[in-house]
Amino acid sequence: RKEVEQDPGPFNVPEGATVAFNCTYSNSASQSFFWYRQDCRKEPKLLMSVYSSGNEDGRFTAQLNRASQYISLLIRDSKLSDSATYLCVASGAGSYQLTFGKGTKLSVIP
Amino acid sequence: EAQVTQNPRYLITVTGKKLTVTCSQNMNHEYMSWYRQDPGLGLRQIYYSMNVEVTDKGDVPEGYKVSRKEKRNFPLILESPSPNQTSLYFCASSFDKSLEQYFGPGTRLTVT
Repeated sequence: RKEVEQDPGPFNVPEGATVAFNCTYSNSASQSFFWYRQDCRKEPKLLMSVYSSGNEDGRFTAQLNRASQYISLLIRDSKLSDSATYLCVASGAGSYQLTFGKGTKLSVIP
Repeated sequence: EAQVTQNPRYLITVTGKKLTVTCSQNMNHEYMSWYRQDPGLGLRQIYYSMNVEVTDKGDVPEGYKVSRKEKRNFPLILESPSPNQTSLYFCASSFDKSLEQYFGPGTRLTVT
């Protein structure tokens, strides 16, 4: 069974902290990877795509390690508005199936 | 405004009464997908469609049907709903599986 595993948390961090999430995937043929953010009872929204070379968007940095089959998300200078559940997603090679992790809950505390 | 719409947003029904949840996107996306989200289980893919008249099963297709007669619409059909199908359902679309998926607002279904 192809799976994506995440630490469910919750991660409770103070404002301004740096927090890192890891996600592992079991399908070595997976080609596309994403981080989504989901607020309570709302639809998921794309936070970042994850590229082999790594990518950064402001306070957010995503990394992909194919050899170890894990993806990471780093959030620097955490804001209260970063409080949400973060979902890791992997797709299969030649397949349109997408597999979501169960999500990691982050609470940023004043 | 580019969006994915779902209807109804909330539905309470009884076991065995056929229902359809509609999904429509106005972005000319080829790829559409249905998910259900349950506490402790996360988002699980039910069915997906790569284009008109092309659909395939996801991880949890049992008890569901879909159709893709037009590019913009991808309805989810529950022929005989059961209580274990009580869940939060999301429809999503994208140009391609490797690109960002846009999610609808969700449909909260309760089957009694």
